[in-house]
Amino acid sequence: AQSVTQLGSHVSVSEGALVLLRCNYSSSVPPYLFWYVQYPNQGLQLLLKYTSAATLVKGINGFEAEFKKSETSFHLTKPSAHMSDAAEYFCAVTRTGGKLIFGQGTELSVKP
Amino acid sequence: SAVISQKPSRDICQRGTSLTIQCQVDSQVTMMFWYRQQPGQSLTLIATANQGSEATYESGFVIDKFPISRPNLTFSTLTVSNMSPEDSSIYLCSLSGGPLHSYNEQFFGPGTRLTVL
Repeated sequence: AQSVTQLGSHVSVSEGALVLLRCNYSSSVPPYLFWYVQYPNQGLQLLLKYTSAATLVKGINGFEAEFKKSETSFHLTKPSAHMSDAAEYFCAVTRTGGKLIFGQGTELSVKP
Repeated sequence: SAVISQKPSRDICQRGTSLTIQCQVDSQVTMMFWYRQQPGQSLTLIATANQGSEATYESGFVIDKFPISRPNLTFSTLTVSNMSPEDSSIYLCSLSGGPLHSYNEQFFGPGTRLTVL
């Protein structure tokens, strides 16, 4: 069965600093992995996805993630945080039938 | 990507009543899903809305509590029945597949914020 674990329910960084949000997955089959962002009082927006092509995936807003099979990880990074990056971030893995299983979410705060 | 709208965007309801949430997409899609996001928590899949047949519910969710309709490829409704304060959540619809959308990713609507008093 597939599952996702996000390490850290809250991450705080300074503006301009590196953003690193951690996600580990468990899957009995090659997974499809996703990062979504949820801004306050909004729905979910797809940041990026891994679907068994390149292991380094680039997404919107300068975010990228690297799929590491040996570590069962799909961590999200951004070299330089911006105030507008403050939001809730969810890692997700696809289940049978295209259904998504979400991690618990990581709230990113950006300090000026 | 598709434009997805949900109505209402938010509502405050009394316990014991029911609310029907609509999800409208501007193009035909194959798969539509309904998720619940309880306060401060992650998303949990309620059911897959199947066009022309009964929805497929996840463990812990039943049709009597969350009846779902999907009369065509662009529209679905979720009803939250006999509501209690524990039903206070954000309800989101999502889609995947179809002529314009990959099956490998889901797009989400803006959500319906429900508060039950």
